[in-house]
Amino acid sequence: GDSVTQMEGPVTLSEEAFLTINCTYTATGYPSLFWYVQYPGEGLQLLLKATKADDKGSNKGFEATYRKETTSFHLEKGSVQVSDSAVYFCALSRGSTLGRLYFGRGTQLTVWP
Amino acid sequence: NAGVMQNPRHLVRRRGQEARLRCSPVKGHSHVYWYRQLPEEGLKFMVYLQKENIIDESGMPKERFSAEFPKEGPSILRIQQVVRGDSAAYFCASSLSTGEDYGYTFGSGTRLTVV
Repeated sequence: GDSVTQMEGPVTLSEEAFLTINCTYTATGYPSLFWYVQYPGEGLQLLLKATKADDKGSNKGFEATYRKETTSFHLEKGSVQVSDSAVYFCALSRGSTLGRLYFGRGTQLTVWP
Repeated sequence: NAGVMQNPRHLVRRRGQEARLRCSPVKGHSHVYWYRQLPEEGLKFMVYLQKENIIDESGMPKERFSAEFPKEGPSILRIQQVVRGDSAAYFCASSLSTGEDYGYTFGSGTRLTVV
């Protein structure tokens, strides 16, 4: 079945460090891929998305490229800030399962000043 | 307010009681989804509803759980005879339609604690 696997956290970085959070997926067909961010006590917010192979999603300095050959959608940021501390979720959706998102377990990121 | 509104934010119930969670979608959105987040896990799909219809409830436990999205008013997720294992954060999302071009807007969740 469809699933998403994320690198386990927590991830702890100093401000201005480079961030990578790995995400791989299993799905038939051509899913859309997403990264969501959850700040403490809040709901999920869409960070970026990509809907087809080789697409790059980007937002707020974060980037992720849809790699069909490696079934991956790794999240990267060149220089993290304290305000980036949150839980990051990788997710996928497929047209045949309308309205359903499949989430990874989430990766807790803590950035220290 | 343009977002998805969920209430209550926190709900405490004793074992055996009923829990009713409410979700008001973004104005104009007719698609609602419920997800459950257990401690230190990702969100798991429960149910997808359109106005007055359940489209997909394959993620919903077969017993004690029900959901509705009436023609008027919020969507309700109802859990009867709660047990400690029901303690979780329950998130609602809404969308204008389905498909990759339509985004899902999530609410801030209801955190249910069963004591």
